[in-house]
Amino acid sequence: GDQVEQSPSALSLHEGTGSALRCNFTTTMRAVQWFRKNSRGSLINLFYLASGTKENGRLKSAFDSKERYSTLHIRDAQLEDSGTYFCAAADTNAYKVIFGKGTHLHVLP
Amino acid sequence: NSKVIQTPRYLVKGQGQKAKMRCIPEKGHPVVFWYQQNKNNEFKFLINFQNQEVLQQIDMTEKRFSAECPSNSPCSLEIQSSEAGDSALYLCASSKDRNQDTQYFGPGTRLLVL
Repeated sequence: GDQVEQSPSALSLHEGTGSALRCNFTTTMRAVQWFRKNSRGSLINLFYLASGTKENGRLKSAFDSKERYSTLHIRDAQLEDSGTYFCAAADTNAYKVIFGKGTHLHVLP
Repeated sequence: NSKVIQTPRYLVKGQGQKAKMRCIPEKGHPVVFWYQQNKNNEFKFLINFQNQEVLQQIDMTEKRFSAECPSNSPCSLEIQSSEAGDSALYLCASSKDRNQDTQYFGPGTRLLVL
């Protein structure tokens, strides 16, 4: 099975509301990275975490290596937050990252 | 927020042709990764380098792909004999440290094999 399971695959939010995206890992990962794919198709870095939580504006992310998950919380969603969000986890024994399949977020007016 | 440069942005090849794409990592980033993203948004790791040394690569890369990161030149990924299934977005990423750091991605090269 997939080592990184990202959910939900699609999410619709009204402006001003919030929600959480989640990635579950089948093995222990040493770090996680969250990205948003912009309108040009480029991956924009949101967070890199080796542990704990980080916050940036309306976004907050958490990573628990032992419990094998990471979350990305979005609050007060804005129209420009629409896009596809990916988590990518770094395997403990490898130098590569393994991506989730993405969450397509649609923020509605 | 990434300064990774990838060229060309788009590449169209016939089956059996060679397809070559290049990547200039961010300055000061010795580690370079190549990924393939298919039309279903699924990423596949291909190969990574630290300076000129290959760290890891998957079987597919060993057989039909060649990649290098020569000193003082762009990194490159080349498909020796393109197949229709190679049509995808090829992403290059760089980082400061192979273990501990954020990967910064370029915009990708979109390859179409006809």
